[in-house]
Amino acid sequence: DGGITQSPKYLFRKEGQNVTLSCEQNLNHDAMYWYRQDPGQGLRLIYYSQIVNDFQKGDIAEGYSVSREKKESFPLTVTSAQKNPTAFYLCASKTSGIASGETQYFGPGTRLLVL
Amino acid sequence: GNSVTQMEGPVTLSEEAFLTINCTYTATGYPSLFWYVQYPGEGLQLLLKATKADDKGSNKGFEATYRKETTSFHLEKGSVQVSDSAVYFCALMISGTYKYIFGTGTRLKVLA
Repeated sequence: DGGITQSPKYLFRKEGQNVTLSCEQNLNHDAMYWYRQDPGQGLRLIYYSQIVNDFQKGDIAEGYSVSREKKESFPLTVTSAQKNPTAFYLCASKTSGIASGETQYFGPGTRLLVL
Repeated sequence: GNSVTQMEGPVTLSEEAFLTINCTYTATGYPSLFWYVQYPGEGLQLLLKATKADDKGSNKGFEATYRKETTSFHLEKGSVQVSDSAVYFCALMISGTYKYIFGTGTRLKVLA
C-alpha cells in the first residue's frame, strides 16, 4: 500500500537536546512538507521541499532544520534553539505539479513532548 | 495576504442532525479549496475539494460549493452520525504555488 509513514509516534525531548522526526513516502511524490499543529491554531508550515536537494523555509522555520537527500525521505530535526517544541508534527507530500486541485497526503503524525 | 477563516467549535449535534461548518477565504489569484478531516491522534485525510467557482465537491454525504462571489466554501451534511465526530479543516492552495493555507479547524461532536 502506498502512503506516508512517520516515526516515532511519540518522542520525548530533554532540554538542550536535538531530536529528529522521520518521514518516508512511497507515493513517488516530488514535494514534501512539514507542519506543526498546536491546539486551536491549525497547521503551520515549517519547511517544504519541491525536489531532492532543495527545500524552502515556511512560516515558522526558526529552531528547525531539514534535509532532502532522497525523494522518499524528508526528516525534520527539532534543535535546542526551538524553545517551545511540544506539538503534533505532520508530514505531507504531493505530486510535483502546481496545477489546480493538487491534493496533499498526510502521514499519521508524531507527538513531541518535552521532559 | 491569503487566509482561511472557519467557525469556532466545538459544534455539538445530535445524530441525524443537519451540519454546516462555515469557511470563508481571502486569496490572490484563483485558489483551489479543500476540506480535510482529522480523527483523534491521526493525520489529515482529504474529504473533498473544488478547483473553480461553482464547483461542488462531495464525498461520504458531505458537500461544499465553491462560491467566488461570497468567497466561501461551507461544509454541509444532511444527517450526521456519531462516526463523523472529528476535527474539520478548510484549506486553500493558490494555483501556481506549492503552499497551502489551513484554517484553525472546527471540532464536531455528534451525540447518539
